[in-house]
Amino acid sequence: DIQMTQSPSSLSASVGDRVTITCRASQSISDSLNWYQQKPGKVPKVLIYTASRLQSGVTSRFSGSGSGTDFTLTISSLQPEDFATYYCQQSYTTPLTFGQGTKVEIK
Amino acid sequence: EVQLLESGGGLVQPGGSLRLSCAASGFAFSSYAMSWVRQAPGKGLEWVSAISASGGSTYYADSVKGRFTLSRDNSKNTLYLQMNSLRAEDTAVYFCASYSGYDIDYFDYWGQGTLVTVSS
Repeated sequence: DIQMTQSPSSLSASVGDRVTITCRASQSISDSLNWYQQKPGKVPKVLIYTASRLQSGVTSRFSGSGSGTDFTLTISSLQPEDFATYYCQQSYTTPLTFGQGTKVEIK
Repeated sequence: EVQLLESGGGLVQPGGSLRLSCAASGFAFSSYAMSWVRQAPGKGLEWVSAISASGGSTYYADSVKGRFTLSRDNSKNTLYLQMNSLRAEDTAVYFCASYSGYDIDYFDYWGQGTLVTVSS
């Protein structure tokens, strides 16, 4: 199985900060990497698919990059509604696997 | 509007069985691969199983292989997950989710989830 490792596991940031979350795959997954946001008590929401494609309706504050084994999710200017847990997910092969999550908290 | 409505969760003893259902509406169900994803209390997301749009191919996480069976009835726009030999570690909210299309790639829509609790 492909292991997905996110870093950091949690971070504290202020409104307006630029935030970067990293996801590393245990083997090359090309660009088959997706990012989700989950707020407490809510269902996950896809932000980025295929490493860098912004899902329709998602603010352009979010961007994704990377290929192979290393990927990043960047929030250009953190807003109050962005405080949540973020997950990466590989869709290169089954079993599909998620990272352990990165909780973004208010500083 | 796309809707995925799960049902069938509840409290079950270890070793018992449950059947989850997911009723889909608002999209061409038979053209989309579907999946179940679970989330244990306070934990992260875990992919459980996936099924092709036609239902001809199914895929399982190692943790549920041989115990869970995924199926779909495209005439009823419904997805099913038969869960047997349940264990305490299967306790989680189970989400029904659709992929972006025929391919098993990213999850486009999610249901609200149904809670499965395995406990004596």
